[in-house]
Amino acid sequence: DSGVTQTPKHLITATGQRVTLRCSPRSGDLSVYWYQQSLDQGLQFLIQYYNGEERAKGNILERFSAQQFPDLHSELNLSSLELGDSALYFCASSRGDVPSSYEQYFGPGTRLTVT
Amino acid sequence: ILNVEQSPQSLHVQEGDSTNFTCSFPSSNFYALHWYRWETAKSPEALFVMTLNGDEKKKGRISATLNTKEGYSYLYIKGSQPEDSATYLCAFASTDKLIFGTGTRLQVFP
Repeated sequence: DSGVTQTPKHLITATGQRVTLRCSPRSGDLSVYWYQQSLDQGLQFLIQYYNGEERAKGNILERFSAQQFPDLHSELNLSSLELGDSALYFCASSRGDVPSSYEQYFGPGTRLTVT
Repeated sequence: ILNVEQSPQSLHVQEGDSTNFTCSFPSSNFYALHWYRWETAKSPEALFVMTLNGDEKKKGRISATLNTKEGYSYLYIKGSQPEDSATYLCAFASTDKLIFGTGTRLQVFP
C-alpha cells in the first residue's frame, strides 16, 4: 500500500459527460501528479501540483483540468468526454516539487470507460 | 520530443535465471533516471532513483547501473523468482516531468 488513495476505482460514463477523479496523497507529500495510461501507450504525464499550485503541465487536453486543495488532495476534471478518453488514470505523490529528485508513490488508479 | 526506449518489450525466463534489460534515454539535459516495478492489477512501485553517472543501486536481488554519457541504464535481476513477474518501467526525469518508457514485461516460470 503506497499510502496514496484514489476514488472511484471504476467509472463508466457516456460521451459528452463530465467526471471528477479524486486523489489523496501520502501523508507529508506536497506534490501530486496525474498520469494517463491508454491501451498500448506508456504512462503519459498530464499535470503536477505542488502545495496547491500548478507546477508543470504535460499532454493535458483543454477539456481536462485539475486542482489541488488546501488539504492537498487533488481532483482531475474531465469534460466533454470522448471514447478515446477511456484509460487508466493514476495519481502519484512525492515529497518535493522537482520530479527528478524524488520517487513517486502511485495510487491504485481509476479505470474510466467512456461508452 | 524526448524518447525513452526499453528493450526487450517482453521476456520469459525460468526460475533461477538471471536477467537484465535496458533503458535508453537522451544523454543531454539529464537530471535523473527512475525505475519502477508494476505488477498486474497493482500500481507502479518505485525501485530506484539514479542521478549520477556510474551510479549503481541495489535492492535485494535487483540492481541497476547508469551511464548518463551514453544514455542508458541496465536493470539486473539475479536468480529470478515467480514473484519478480511484473512490468519494469524506467522514466527519464526532465526539468519538469517524468517521461516513461513502455516497459519490459518479465514473466518468470517456476
